[in-house]
Formats: sequence, C-alpha cells, structure tokens
Amino acid sequence: AQSVSQHNHHVILSEAASLELGCNYSYGGTVNLFWYVQYPGQHLQLLLKYFSGDPLVKGIKGFEAEFIKSKFSFNLRKPSVQWSDTAEYFCAVNEVNDMRFGAGTRLTVKP
Amino acid sequence: NAGVTQTPKFRILKIGQSMTLQCAQDMNHNYMYWYRQDPGMGLKLIYYSVGAGITDKGEVPNGYNVSRSTTEDFPLRLELAAPSQTSVYFCASSRSGGAAGELFFGEGSRLTVL
Repeated sequence: AQSVSQHNHHVILSEAASLELGCNYSYGGTVNLFWYVQYPGQHLQLLLKYFSGDPLVKGIKGFEAEFIKSKFSFNLRKPSVQWSDTAEYFCAVNEVNDMRFGAGTRLTVKP
Repeated sequence: NAGVTQTPKFRILKIGQSMTLQCAQDMNHNYMYWYRQDPGMGLKLIYYSVGAGITDKGEVPNGYNVSRSTTEDFPLRLELAAPSQTSVYFCASSRSGGAAGELFFGEGSRLTVL
C-alpha cells in the first residue's frame, strides 16, 4: 500500500507570505491525490483533489496543488496566506479502496 | 443534514475495559473508515468497509474490531483497552473508493486510557 511523506512538520509564516507544503507518495501507478485541512477544533475537510487531467488543480480559499508524476509529488501552494489559514494540512493518496494520510503539516500564520 | 455522526465525543477508560465507538452516516455512502490521529503521526487507517457485510484491515488494526451490518453504521470495538490506544478517533465515509474517494469526516472521539 502507498505511504505518504510530508516534509514539513511545522511551518510559521507571516500574513501575505507565500506557502508551499511538500507531499510525496511512495510509488507510481494510478493514484488519486488529496489535500485535507483541519482548522483548530474542527474535523478534516477537503481542500482539493486530483484524479486526472490538468496536473495543476485549484481548490477552495485560493489553494492550489501541482501533481508531478515523475517526482511522485503533490505539493500544496498558496500565493498569499492569511491568519485564517492557520491549521493542520494533510496530504492523502487513494489507490484502490483505502485512503492513506501523511503525518500532517501544522501551519501557523502570524498576523 | 447530519453527515457523519460519532459518539461519544469524549471517553475515559481504565486499562482492560472494553467499549464501542459508534459511527453513523446518512449520505448512503458505501465506503466507511476508521482512523486514529496521534500528534505528529497524522491519521492512521484502522479498518475500512466497502459495503455492508464487508470489512478489511488498515494499517493499525491490532486491538480493534469492526462490523458493518448496515450501510449506515460502522462501529469500532476496543476489547481490552491499553494506554497505547489513547488517541482521537475519526470515522469517515465516501460514496465510493478510487476517483470518487473524497472523505467526509465525523467530529472525532477523544479516548483516554488510564
């Protein structure tokens, strides 16, 4: 089964800074890729997903992610973060029937 | 429009006790999942089900059991609670696996084993 690596454990940014969070999965094949977000005290919700087609996908709240097949990567980006983006971000891969998550990256945005 | 409902939200158990975490969804989803979330470890898949009567092990099934007698319900049973099972447990559902595998999560159940 797939495993997912998220490179950054905790990222601290100031408002308006750009964000990139790394995510790699373990091997090739047909996979579906997701980013989920967990705001403080809330449950996980979907930010964006990639199934096929354009490798640059756009999600909610100005987030986007790029799928690079040759690198087994699906990095999350946002040009300008806001204080309200403070949350934990999880990358996930769905190969067949199960969904495997990375360890998560905690993002703190300073006002 | 309840979505995925988990009960209880909080529970303290003594070592060796047993309990069941309840999960119900009203979206007619075929797929259901149980995850545990530990600090710095992300979400680990415990068990999942692709439909009523069908369950399968995930990454960390030891110490847990599940059943899926109906489409709506997917309870998680802890038989002999151990401190290592202290965690936050999330139930989730999806319409199907693969490309349609967006998960909808419950609010979580925080379990402490002392």
